[in-house]
Amino acid sequence: KAGVTQTPRYLIKTRGQQVTLSCSPISGHRSVSWYQQTPGQGLQFLFEYFSETQRNKGNFPGRFSGRQFSNSRSEMNVSTLELGDSALYLCASSLDIGSSTDTQYFGPGTRLTVL
Amino acid sequence: ILNVEQSPQSLHVQEGDSTNFTCSFPSSNFYALHWYRWETAKSPEALFVMTLNGDEKKKGRISATLNTKEGYSYLYIKGSQPEDSATYLCAFYNFNKFYFGSGTKLNVKP
Repeated sequence: KAGVTQTPRYLIKTRGQQVTLSCSPISGHRSVSWYQQTPGQGLQFLFEYFSETQRNKGNFPGRFSGRQFSNSRSEMNVSTLELGDSALYLCASSLDIGSSTDTQYFGPGTRLTVL
Repeated sequence: ILNVEQSPQSLHVQEGDSTNFTCSFPSSNFYALHWYRWETAKSPEALFVMTLNGDEKKKGRISATLNTKEGYSYLYIKGSQPEDSATYLCAFYNFNKFYFGSGTKLNVKP
């Protein structure tokens, strides 16, 4: 069974630009969550999608948005990039995060650098 | 915002040493606590899902315990090996979200 894939793996952008990251979950998984990791911080929850609907959102500004397609693939978009957006962005898929015991499977991440 | 804390932040041990680290979380409204291992240049990998007070889970040389009443979980590694070097994360589940600690980075020297 193929794991979670994320593209691109590395990205360099300049301030003010926008970026789109992609995540393909494990086949059969309907829930996709996105996390941001910056140095010294734990994984910060961005949002979660289930069956094409955003079910949960973390405390991030509106510049961060996402969507999920009918095949469960998900994209996240960051507009008007700021230096502080430089981070590792991880996505995780699960059957249904609505279950507290459901295991999340993480992708390798996209390393975004904003110059 | 829920606070999940892990200690220590980093740990250096010799091969063969046993070690343990702590994850502290809110003791109210407990649903589940997950442990992950994150090796450098790889993806976080699930270790344990813990749900009941007094739970003890084991996987090879790694085990974990849970105390929901006082809000902590311990992860133990017996006879550490260099391949155990990784960052160990705990994640507290609450209302369809996971709140992660910042991790304990373990370095096992041969």
